[in-house]
Amino acid sequence: EAGVAQSPRYKIIEKRQSVAFWCNPISGHATLYWYQQILGQGPKLLIQFQNNGVVDDSQLPKDRFSAERLKGVDSTLKIQPAKLEDSAVYLCASSVNNYEQYFGPGTRLTVT
Amino acid sequence: SQQGEEDPQALSIQEGENATMNCSYKTSINNLQWYRQNSGRGLVHLILIRSNEREKHSGRLRVTLDTSKKSSSLLITASRAADTASYFCATDGNQFYFGTGTSLTVIP
Repeated sequence: EAGVAQSPRYKIIEKRQSVAFWCNPISGHATLYWYQQILGQGPKLLIQFQNNGVVDDSQLPKDRFSAERLKGVDSTLKIQPAKLEDSAVYLCASSVNNYEQYFGPGTRLTVT
Repeated sequence: SQQGEEDPQALSIQEGENATMNCSYKTSINNLQWYRQNSGRGLVHLILIRSNEREKHSGRLRVTLDTSKKSSSLLITASRAADTASYFCATDGNQFYFGTGTSLTVIP
């Protein structure tokens, strides 16, 4: 089966600019997660969707980050405006049963 | 702050030796999972242990869970160079948290 797809793989922007990431989960996976992984740390959950509803967004900086999952399939994560500390790898994962998560390759964001 | 803390932060062993890494967490959980991350394959799920289980095996992996101590351990037996990676525990309670990770280096 095809894995979790993410794009772009790399993005370099200047602070205060906007950026968007896209994720296509594994077909049939109802749960979708976005994580932020800063170099040397474990992934931090930003938002969890069940179909197109939000289950947990308690760690999402809502003043600058937003995410949506239209039609319960693809999802986009947006940062507006970006700060230097947003430099990280953004990981998307999906699961069918809220247990084992399948991760995409990630998007490496550099904010200069 | 992250829920799980792995120990040690870094571990270097010879091929064929066993590797043990530990995870401690703070709140009650439904289950605990271990993931591996390397540059080649990204983050990959290894094993899940439920809160009512004490030990679980999968191939060369052995996981234990002690809910009274809020801790788990991952044992990799007969390590291989391909096991070189970062290993993370992840807890599923009210929220989903990854730990800080253990960086394992297996020397051929």
